[in-house]
This record gives sequence, C-alpha cells and structure tokens, in this order.
Amino acid sequence: AQSVTQLDSQVPVFEEAPVELRCNYSSSVSVYLFWYVQYPNQGLQLLLKYLSGSTLVKGINGFEAEFNKSQTSFHLRKPSVHISDTAEYFCAVTFSGGYQKVTFGIGTKLQVIP
Amino acid sequence: EAGVAQSPRYKIIEKRQSVAFWCNPISGHATLYWYQQILGQGPKLLIQFQNNGVVDDSQLPKDRFSAERLKGVDSTLKIQPAKLEDSAVYLCASSLGQVGKTEAFFGQGTRLTVV
Repeated sequence: AQSVTQLDSQVPVFEEAPVELRCNYSSSVSVYLFWYVQYPNQGLQLLLKYLSGSTLVKGINGFEAEFNKSQTSFHLRKPSVHISDTAEYFCAVTFSGGYQKVTFGIGTKLQVIP
Repeated sequence: EAGVAQSPRYKIIEKRQSVAFWCNPISGHATLYWYQQILGQGPKLLIQFQNNGVVDDSQLPKDRFSAERLKGVDSTLKIQPAKLEDSAVYLCASSLGQVGKTEAFFGQGTRLTVV
C-alpha cells in the first residue's frame, strides 16, 4: 500500500537551534515529494518540492530537504530556527503512474521556544 | 497575483442543516481541489476538478456531499444534511496543471463547526 508517515506530531525546539522534521513514505512506484507549511488560521503554502535530479532540495525561509530513496525518506531540516517558524508542517507525496493524487501526512507541529 | 479565495471563513450550523462553501481559484488554473482537514489530521482530498470535469471524487461522501464547478472557474461544495463528524476546515486549492508535479495554491479555508 502507498502511504506517507510523519513520525513526530509535535517538535519543540529552542530558537536558533537546528531542527529536523521526519517524513517517510511507502511506495512501489516513483514518487514526487513536497513539504507544505501551515501558519495559524491560514492555508497551506509550499516550502519545497522534489521531482527529480539533485536529492538535496532547497526551499523558502532557509529550509531544505533530502530525498533518500533507499530509506524512503524526505526529511525537512533547518540549521537555525526562528520564532516565526512556529507552524504546522505537512509532508505530501504523489505516487506516479496513472492518476496522480497527492497524499498528505498528518502533520508535525513545530514549536519554537524563545 | 490574487490567491485562492474562499468564503465564508467560519460557519456554525446545527446537525442536519445544510451548508455551502464557495471557492474562486487563481485565474487560469485548470485544476481545483477540495480538501477536508479534521483537527489533528492532514488534509484529505474530497474532490478534484480538471476544468469543469470531475477527475477524482472517490473520497467524497456522496450521500451528503456534492460539489460543482461552473464554467470551469468557481466552485461550490455543499453538505446536506450535516453531521457532527463533518466539523473540519474545508480547504480549496488550485493548480495550473495536474498536481503531481505542479504546485497547489491553497485558500485560507472555511472552518465548519457542526453542533
């Protein structure tokens, strides 16, 4: 079965510390991978995406993610977080072949502590 | 460029009542999606339109939910009658092409509370 898993529902981290938000997927076909951010009372905004090519993808607001095919992972990282990064982060996957529907993970709430 | 517009932002109704949500996608975006986001969960696709045709409505509870996209632009999502478990944020999104590769742009959502 094809699925996406975000292992951490909440991640507290001190300001200026590094953070990693984990995302794993299960698929027998090729995938396209996305990270979205949702600030309180707002819609989702694309942070970054992996379609093909370099496995290290850089996004907005200093975030980056690395596609690891052998580990079936697409973890999101930032070397130094800011208070304004407090939000919920969603990993999303599209499974290629046939109709391509996006499947979202349950989200990880990042809480940056001053 | 104007974003995806949704209205209303908030709605409170009693169970068994009807409710409708409206979405205006970004101009020129052929693909439109309605997602349901229940508290503590990720967005779940309810229905996807390509222009004014339905591409996927496999997770739409068709006994109570309906959606249409007139003239391939605006869309409405209706619930009739509503149940308590329909309480959620309903997100509309649009994209230029098929979402597999192209970015989806989301509206702010409509928060529905069924009491």
